[in-house]
Amino acid sequence: IQLTQSPSSLSASVGDRVTITCRASQGISSYLAWYQQKPGKAPNLLIYAASTLQSGVPSRFSGSGSGTDFTLTISSLQPEDFATYYCQQLNSYPFTFGPGTKVDIK
Amino acid sequence: QVQLVQSGAEVKKPGASVKVSCKASGYTFTSYYMHWVRQAPGQGLEWMGILNPSGDNTNYTQKFQGRLTMTRDTSTSTFYMELTSLRSEDTAVYFCARGRTYSSSPLGYWGQGTLVTVSS
Repeated sequence: IQLTQSPSSLSASVGDRVTITCRASQGISSYLAWYQQKPGKAPNLLIYAASTLQSGVPSRFSGSGSGTDFTLTISSLQPEDFATYYCQQLNSYPFTFGPGTKVDIK
Repeated sequence: QVQLVQSGAEVKKPGASVKVSCKASGYTFTSYYMHWVRQAPGQGLEWMGILNPSGDNTNYTQKFQGRLTMTRDTSTSTFYMELTSLRSEDTAVYFCARGRTYSSSPLGYWGQGTLVTVSS
């Protein structure tokens, strides 16, 4: 299963609403997770089962979608949110990642 | 608290093998799935494979078939990822990452990563 993400990068300001899209090449039900990665660090789980917020993750992050189309939304971008975001499908092996979306400061 | 502590950086020559370790603590070692993920310099994440909680079943990405082995040692609560016949394209940071008690679970805990450099 191939995952595509759009956009590949975006520039945004603190306080902006940001939406990232992940599309699967075939249906994956709700078996999708989102991760945030900062330079030199391991990824951090944000959302799983497409829309379930991982414990400890701020509520400004939300996820939606099922089947082939998914979105990650950051309702009000904070300085610590500038990072790269990856989706991952967990429906069938291999558990592929999307190519990533880099969010940087406008 | 859950911790995954990986072994240090490695430099290997093409054709050699590398074995990266991931020592787990803070949870029941034999109850959770363990994944390995790698990231080449400046590139995205690549899922490599998964080891089941019993330690007796694996699933590897096709591109690594025949070169990749995931194992564990219950006496030391340590997971291992061995990659053989290394080539320059295997230069990457390798992460272990713990899932939950079912295979399709997200990767909620990660090791700090181990840089493997393949160079002649």
